[in-house]
Amino acid sequence: SQTIHQWPATLVQPVGSPLSLECTVEGTSNPNLYWYRQAAGRGLQLLFYSVGIGQISSEVPQNLSASRPQDRQFILSSKKLLLSDSGFYLCAWSPGPRGNQPQHFGDGTRLSIL
Amino acid sequence: TQLLEQSPQFLSIQEGENLTVYCNSSSVFSSLQWYRQEPGEGPVLLVTVVTGGEVKKLKRLTFQFGDARKDSSLHITAAQTGDTGLYLCAGVPFYTGANSKLTFGKGITLSVRP
Repeated sequence: SQTIHQWPATLVQPVGSPLSLECTVEGTSNPNLYWYRQAAGRGLQLLFYSVGIGQISSEVPQNLSASRPQDRQFILSSKKLLLSDSGFYLCAWSPGPRGNQPQHFGDGTRLSIL
Repeated sequence: TQLLEQSPQFLSIQEGENLTVYCNSSSVFSSLQWYRQEPGEGPVLLVTVVTGGEVKKLKRLTFQFGDARKDSSLHITAAQTGDTGLYLCAGVPFYTGANSKLTFGKGITLSVRP
């Protein structure tokens, strides 16, 4: 069966520090991969999605970037964090290549910027 | 403009009560998905409805897809405290094609009091 791992679960970082959140998927090949940010108790804002290695689409201009160095690995990064980067970050996968398939989410990372 | 409007935004009910919540759009969807998210976790897929007028049941939860495939409802019978969470609907508008990404509603926060 397929599983998705996202870490760390919680992260506290100072303003201006770098960020690296990692997400890996097991049990499937060529998945579509997604990074979302979620405001407290509300809907999901799509940040990045990827349909293959090295293929990244950005949905909103921001202080963050994403990379997909391997088929089942998706990384969210920042060189210098801002206070506004605080939030709950979710990684998800869906069977490729169609984008209308159900998505399967990791347990999220709670990021607090001080 | 939100493509998928969910209502009500917040709902607080007593255990044992029945409730119905909605996911509406002016666009036609090839399918709609419902997710439930508990605090501190990622959303989990509950159901996908595909055919206009389709009704799917998941224990005490009944999901219906509108005849015109523009809306969906979720009815919970005899709510339990374990039903508490954020309910999200998601789909891809028919006109954008199957390769487009899912769009999510902002969610319905349900609180079931013991």
